[in-house]
Formats: sequence, C-alpha cells, structure tokens
Amino acid sequence: QKEVEQNSGPLSVPEGAIASLNCTYSDRVSQSFFWYRQYSGKSPELIMSIYSNGDKEDGRFTAQLNKASQYVSLLIRDSQPSDSATYLCAVLTGGGNKLTFGTGTQLKVEL
Amino acid sequence: GAVVSQHPSRVICKSGTSVKIECRSLDFQATTMFWYRQFPKQSLMLMATSNEGSKATYEQGVEKDKFLINHASLTLSTLTVTSAHPEDSSFYICSARVPRGVINEQFFGPGTRLTVL
Repeated sequence: QKEVEQNSGPLSVPEGAIASLNCTYSDRVSQSFFWYRQYSGKSPELIMSIYSNGDKEDGRFTAQLNKASQYVSLLIRDSQPSDSATYLCAVLTGGGNKLTFGTGTQLKVEL
Repeated sequence: GAVVSQHPSRVICKSGTSVKIECRSLDFQATTMFWYRQFPKQSLMLMATSNEGSKATYEQGVEKDKFLINHASLTLSTLTVTSAHPEDSSFYICSARVPRGVINEQFFGPGTRLTVL
C-alpha cells in the first residue's frame, strides 16, 4: 500500500463548477496535511495546510480532513481554466520529519 | 508564503561533468532544507535532508558520494551532482520549512532542470 494515494485523473470539470480532489494516507500518526498545485514544468506551490479534523477554507479553496478515515480532500469552488494543473497531496510522516507526496491528480477545467 | 530561490534554473552538460545547484531561503532562515528529484509524469521523490552545520541525511537508494550536499549557512544549501550521466537528467527541486504556529509549512524553490548529454 502506498503511503499517500491519489487518483491520477484526469479530472475534468466545467468552468464555474466545484472540483473535488481526494487523498488517502496510511500512516495513522500523521499530523499535518498539505495540498500543492503544480503546473507543468514548474515546482509545487503550497495552496492549503490543515492539521485539525474538519474544514478549512481559504478563498475558493476548502481543505477537509478526516483522521478517523485517513482521508483528506480539496474542494475548489468556481473552478477556472487557470486552476488546470496537477494537485499533490502531501502528508508529514515519519514522526513529523518527512513530507510524503501522492502521485498527484491532474485537473482540467474546461471552458 | 516564504521565498525559496534556486540557481541555475536550467543546466545542460556533458556526461562526466559535475553540476552544482544552489538553493537559498530569501526571507527566512532555514536550519533544514530538502532536495527532491522529479522525473517526467512522476511524483516528487525526496533525495536528502540538508542540515545546517552537519551532514545531510540521504534517503535509501540515493548515493551520497554522487549527490553531494552542503548546507553552509542558514540561507544556503547546495547540491552537487558529480560525474553526471544521462540517467541523472531530471528536475531537481529544493525546499525549506517555515513554522506557522502549530504547523510547519514547506515551500519549494522554482527547480533546476538538468539535462545530461
């Protein structure tokens, strides 16, 4: 079992819709969770961080964490073509020393 | 967010040469920096953790004699790819953590694309 799992996609949504990206992790003692956006040929950019169960909102982005189910998600409201990118889920594992990444979900927002 | 820079952004070199990549934290001090490698259509793979003033910690399978890491100051870490070969061609990205209250957020540099001919 991979430590951090994501559906590779591509996930296609129409402009203006809500995009829902999901991630599961295997290390039960993980405490911190992150979503990064990576455009093709560029390095990852931090979008959201979350460590408490529940929802955390920042503009059009909402991160959701459920530690009991070992599940973290990212919702993007009012999706725009500029949101088209690969979204990486990352979990701080190994006692909080190592950031482990999923393989990423490719999001395509269509006009 | 915190700013991390990398230089150079792109390198093309001949097989057998050594390449040095610099990573700098511009607006904060970083006692720990991280070096990742990313092959096309694959996820980020942690190569090593760079600790200021001490030896780097390498991940399993990463040759420490081939990928030399020096963390000379609180704002600078360097990665030297020694005797580079075509299979070392990849996207190398550094990052650093910044404490944000109860959570440490990790920010990435823009990356260095290495092509070994």
